[in-house]
Amino acid sequence: DAKTTQPTSMDCAEGRAANLPCNHSTISGNEYVYWYRQIHSQGPQYIIHGLKNNETNEMASLIITEDRKSSTLILPHATLRDTAVYYCIESSGGSNYKLTFGKGTLLTVNP
Amino acid sequence: EAGVVQSPRYKIIEKKQPVAFWCNPISGHNTLYWYRQNLGQGPELLIRYENEEAVDDSQLPKDRFSAERLKGVDSTLKIQPAELGDSAVYLCASSQDNNYGYTFGSGTRLTVV
Repeated sequence: DAKTTQPTSMDCAEGRAANLPCNHSTISGNEYVYWYRQIHSQGPQYIIHGLKNNETNEMASLIITEDRKSSTLILPHATLRDTAVYYCIESSGGSNYKLTFGKGTLLTVNP
Repeated sequence: EAGVVQSPRYKIIEKKQPVAFWCNPISGHNTLYWYRQNLGQGPELLIRYENEEAVDDSQLPKDRFSAERLKGVDSTLKIQPAELGDSAVYLCASSQDNNYGYTFGSGTRLTVV
């Protein structure tokens, strides 16, 4: 079973920042936090991942709390094409690397 | 780069019939995964390959499901015989490094009637 907790759904206005929270209170020291998203009728798409430090790439920013029990994915300027289900996943990587998906958060970006 | 290629995109079969799905991963990606996604749920792992070796098949229902990855490149997932409850999207993914992101294909939507 997935070990993370995410809200079922969220709304965001186009052009505004979308902040998607994730609770991973049982994460262990060697586990990364991964974020994927799935647009309707497509396979999941990798967004970003991190261990302890905040991360940023061309798609999003990932803010991880100091105790690593929660994180926030930030889409700085949401567009209609960002409407998707967003999955937060913890995984240890390495030889046991596998992703266990929960139900994720349905983000709807409204015009 | 072509990405992960899956075929067919859609498949409708009658129950008790066999069905097969094909996946061609990204060139150079040694790890290949098959996931199943039921409606309204997140994907669940069926099997993971490192090259041609199945290193995690604990979630694969072995009575009717089988998979192979000959030569450690493309892979086939088979169901025989199919049941109504097998209706789902079957996703293939590949990765090059064990710490970075998977790349998923678009999936095969199976409908068993």
